[in-house]
Amino acid sequence: QKEVEQNSGPLSVPEGAIASLNCTYSDRGSQSFFWYRQYSGKSPELIMSIYSNGDKEDGRFTAQLNKASQYVSLLIRDSQPSDSATYLCAVNNRGSTLGRLYFGRGTQLTVWP
Amino acid sequence: DVKVTQSSRYLVKRTGEKVFLECVQDMDHENMFWYRQDPGLGLRLIYFSYDVKMKEKGDIPEGYSVSREKKERFSLILESASTNQTSMYLCASSLIVANTGELFFGEGSRLTVL
Repeated sequence: QKEVEQNSGPLSVPEGAIASLNCTYSDRGSQSFFWYRQYSGKSPELIMSIYSNGDKEDGRFTAQLNKASQYVSLLIRDSQPSDSATYLCAVNNRGSTLGRLYFGRGTQLTVWP
Repeated sequence: DVKVTQSSRYLVKRTGEKVFLECVQDMDHENMFWYRQDPGLGLRLIYFSYDVKMKEKGDIPEGYSVSREKKERFSLILESASTNQTSMYLCASSLIVANTGELFFGEGSRLTVL
């Protein structure tokens, strides 16, 4: 049973557009939700975390969480070519060993000039 | 600056060889993890450790073992490498505080088994 699923992509948007990345999770008791960005040939890096329902904004990035629907998303406004990367959704499930995250398979985003 | 260092960026081994992948972190983190990453399959957890000499199996432990003799070092061992273990291996560490979610990754070790 898959724990975390993401829209598989690839997703391609023009520069300046809004990129929308989606993620669903299976454990209703999940408490913490994260978005990692991974550039080609590089390691993942944390860009957003969200713990309660609603929106959380950080610059051009907005994370949205809806626990009732078991859904978390990442919006990237005014997308730039430098945003081209694979975005990984990660969830810290209830009952999991402290610090263990479950990752989705990632969505590859390309922003074209 | 926080740092997770993996000993080898690229390795080429032959089937049946014993392979050691070393990982060292300088952040005094309790948790350490080994993942493998394959196209289309994402990050899959092999083993993790939340304390010295402690280890727990992840989702795909078969064919692997680990060692954590010191807090800063976590080693992944392939007792007898096989071609299906050709992959990118990522080490990560984190604090034990729940809900931080921030894993610090090493640069990865790309292993090819011939």
